[in-house]
Amino acid sequence: NAGVTQTPKFQVLKTGQSMTLQCAQDMNHNSMYWYRQDPGMGLRLIYYSASEGTTDKGEVPNGYNVSRLNKREFSLRLESAAPSQTSVYFCASSENAGQGNTGELFFGEGSRLTVL
Amino acid sequence: GENVEQHPSTLSVQEGDSAVIKCTYSDSASNYFPWYKQELGKGPQLIIDIRSNVGEKKDQRIAVTLNKTAKHFSLHITETQPEDSAVYFCAASSRVRSQGNLIFGKGTKLSVKP
Repeated sequence: NAGVTQTPKFQVLKTGQSMTLQCAQDMNHNSMYWYRQDPGMGLRLIYYSASEGTTDKGEVPNGYNVSRLNKREFSLRLESAAPSQTSVYFCASSENAGQGNTGELFFGEGSRLTVL
Repeated sequence: GENVEQHPSTLSVQEGDSAVIKCTYSDSASNYFPWYKQELGKGPQLIIDIRSNVGEKKDQRIAVTLNKTAKHFSLHITETQPEDSAVYFCAASSRVRSQGNLIFGKGTKLSVKP
């Protein structure tokens, strides 16, 4: 009964390095999301995938890329990490995304990223 | 797009007291208002939600009220316990593509003192 699994849980990078955050869900959900959480800023949407084969920019997409590898997996890539990308990243999934769809979001436990 | 304001940012109560967290939203077309609880080191988890055709919903010690005219909704926790200590996020449904399904408030850190 894993739900949403994110790896790694912690990562320290140097400015300019690249890395990929992995996310997998076992609930057969169509939609998956990447959020970042910063102190005093709440949860901000980076990218989401309404269904397999589609991705859309969220509110703060700059500096990130995503891949919906299959229905289960949605990865987030930082090509050239910057200190401003120091944050806690959460992956989430839901049955469906889009206007009129108001299903529950299921979150992973988060990945804490520090960029020096 | 939709904007959600949440107050207060921090709240400290004594065990057994009630706690109230308030949110306002900007888009009158929003029709779904969930509340998420985030415990330390965990991801947020849905605790209660309300849709725009309902004014109040209750689940044991937690309740949510919605005032569509004023565009605000509130979370009420009665008989608080130490395990209620967490960060609480309100959210509202959004029609803006870049906001996905939901736009979140900035969160309220609730501390319940034994």
